[in-house]
Amino acid sequence: SQKIEQNSEALNIQEGKTATLTCNYTNYSPAYLQWYRQDPGRGPVFLLLIRENEKEKRKERLKVTFDTTLKQSLFHITASQPADSATYLCALSASYNFNKFYFGSGTKLNVKP
Amino acid sequence: EPEVTQTPSHQVTQMGQEVILRCVPISNHLYFYWYRQILGQKVEFLVSFYNNEISEKSEIFDDQFSVERPDGSNFTLKIRSTKLEDSAMYFCASRPGVMDNEQFFGPGTRLTVL
Repeated sequence: SQKIEQNSEALNIQEGKTATLTCNYTNYSPAYLQWYRQDPGRGPVFLLLIRENEKEKRKERLKVTFDTTLKQSLFHITASQPADSATYLCALSASYNFNKFYFGSGTKLNVKP
Repeated sequence: EPEVTQTPSHQVTQMGQEVILRCVPISNHLYFYWYRQILGQKVEFLVSFYNNEISEKSEIFDDQFSVERPDGSNFTLKIRSTKLEDSAMYFCASRPGVMDNEQFFGPGTRLTVL
């Protein structure tokens, strides 16, 4: 099965700075890698998806990179705001099988005003 | 905006009892999922469902679990004989179609087994 590693330590940054979160995986490269946001007691909310043949994807202040050689994805939030404080989850589909997803344990981001 | 709904929001049950967790996926979505999240731990895949049958299940999804889509709108997860370790948040999710990989999650049902 796929093992996904996200930094379990909280990331504390100052408002306005760029937050960078890391997702590393073992075994096979997934066809798709997704990032979700989860607030306490709530369900995950989809943010971005990147395909294995894409190096980078952007959406407003969010940017995701995908390096299949390093087996790593980086998730960036530019001009961070206190409202960005949440846990960010990385999720992988089993290669070309979107019927099963593996989630990382998430990294908690704290953006201080 | 359409959303996935789940009921109840909190279910308390005695060990050994059966529980049914209910979900209403987004209309016209084709793929459905159940996940669980034990407090402080990661979201774990349980089962996926498409075309009225299970597509994939995890090792967690043993014989005490079952899923059903009884009427074309509801999607249920049944736990036949609950154990203490079944206490968790259970999330339902749905996905539109083959080329759409975004999963829409519901708010979850918190299951407490005493």
